Amino acid sequence: DGGITQSPKYLFRKEGQNVTLSCEQNLNHDAMYWYRQDPGQGLRLIYYSQIVNDFQKGDIAEGYSVSREKKESFPLTVTSAQKNPTAFYLCASTPSLVFSSYNEQFFGPGTRLTVL
Amino acid sequence: DQQVKQNSPSLSVQEGRISILNCDYTNSMFDYFLWYKKYPAEGPTFLISISSIKDKNEDGRFTVFLNKSAKHLSLHIVPSQPGDSAVYFCAASESNFGNEKLTFGTGTRLTIIP
Repeated sequence: DGGITQSPKYLFRKEGQNVTLSCEQNLNHDAMYWYRQDPGQGLRLIYYSQIVNDFQKGDIAEGYSVSREKKESFPLTVTSAQKNPTAFYLCASTPSLVFSSYNEQFFGPGTRLTVL
Repeated sequence: DQQVKQNSPSLSVQEGRISILNCDYTNSMFDYFLWYKKYPAEGPTFLISISSIKDKNEDGRFTVFLNKSAKHLSLHIVPSQPGDSAVYFCAASESNFGNEKLTFGTGTRLTIIP
């Protein structure tokens, strides 16, 4: 089955530790995105990558880092510099420009990170 | 600065009636709009979209209306069913190219009362 996987579903970390959230897709999509969802705040864009080995900051990139070494993978690291890391994190992807002219984003199931 | 706003955090509707969810935007460069549905602890799923060259798009029980002059869009669900209970997000982008960023609203929690 094609889709986006995020693991684990729930993650607990102590304050001051870096943590990396996994996002993998087998949809052959070029663009990938990371969002966080907080109560009453909707989805806010953290980082996005339109192509392998390239990524841009979103609206709330401070305290986060990403890499895009492979097309299928876009891991997000929540660093100790992120002041309020507890949130629900969502990864998404969109098809290549070559094959699509619409920008529906496909989302993974999300990871709930709790920092204690 | 919230460029996409959903001013109603919650909405309750009787089963079988029409649900109307509203969304306003401020960025006049937005050209393409989408609605997503989200259940708790799951990722959002795409529902319906509309381009700014249209004022209405319909897909089964779901219809999206766009009033570009008022910078307002709405999602109509008719008839409403219990499975429609979820959080609905509207989103906007400046084009419909595949790698364009989306800006999301804050969401409206819809509860369908049996």
